[in-house]
Amino acid sequence: GAGVSQSPSNKVTEKGKDVELRCDPISGHTALYWYRQRLGQGLEFLIYFQGNSAPDKSGLPSDRFSAERTGESVSTLTIQRTQQEDSAVYLCASSLGGRVSPLHFGNGTRLTVT
Amino acid sequence: ILNVEQSPQSLHVQEGDSTNFTCSFPSSNFYALHWYRWETAKSPEALFVMTLNGDEKKKGRISATLNTKEGYSYLYIKGSQPEDSATYLCAPSPGSARQLTFGSGTQLTVLP
Repeated sequence: GAGVSQSPSNKVTEKGKDVELRCDPISGHTALYWYRQRLGQGLEFLIYFQGNSAPDKSGLPSDRFSAERTGESVSTLTIQRTQQEDSAVYLCASSLGGRVSPLHFGNGTRLTVT
Repeated sequence: ILNVEQSPQSLHVQEGDSTNFTCSFPSSNFYALHWYRWETAKSPEALFVMTLNGDEKKKGRISATLNTKEGYSYLYIKGSQPEDSATYLCAPSPGSARQLTFGSGTQLTVLP
């Protein structure tokens, strides 16, 4: 079946521009996560959506970052006024929800801010 | 922020060797522990989700054990193969948080 789909796979943008990253989760998965990995670092939690509950935004690094999810479908992560330190691989994952459901990851979006 | 430590940070083994690495996490308020394998140029793939103290899970040549009282889990690979080369990540899921906090991983390289 279809897995988690992310687009674009690569994005190069100039410092100061806004970017929007998209994630299509697995159908029926109520939980959706965004993580990022900057060069040489581990996976950094950004935001978590679970059904209709208020999202857990505790990992967003600044108010330039925001994310939305429509129901239990597509999510978009928006970064405004991008900075060079935003360069990273942004990974989206979805699951059936609950703490024992494994995460299914997309292939990521590699963002480069020049 | 949850304190998750994985060791070693990296290791190289010869094909056929068995190896193991450690994930340490806070034992208080434990709910579940996830293990993932992340191969280069691919996305992380779930290996195990463990919840019970003393639990052992196995998938082929890979197995994992869990000690929730002292806050650690071991991942074992028996007879390592070059295709086992990857970064192995653990992520505890405490009862107080809904999201997973990943450790920095153990990068395994299996030399042919």
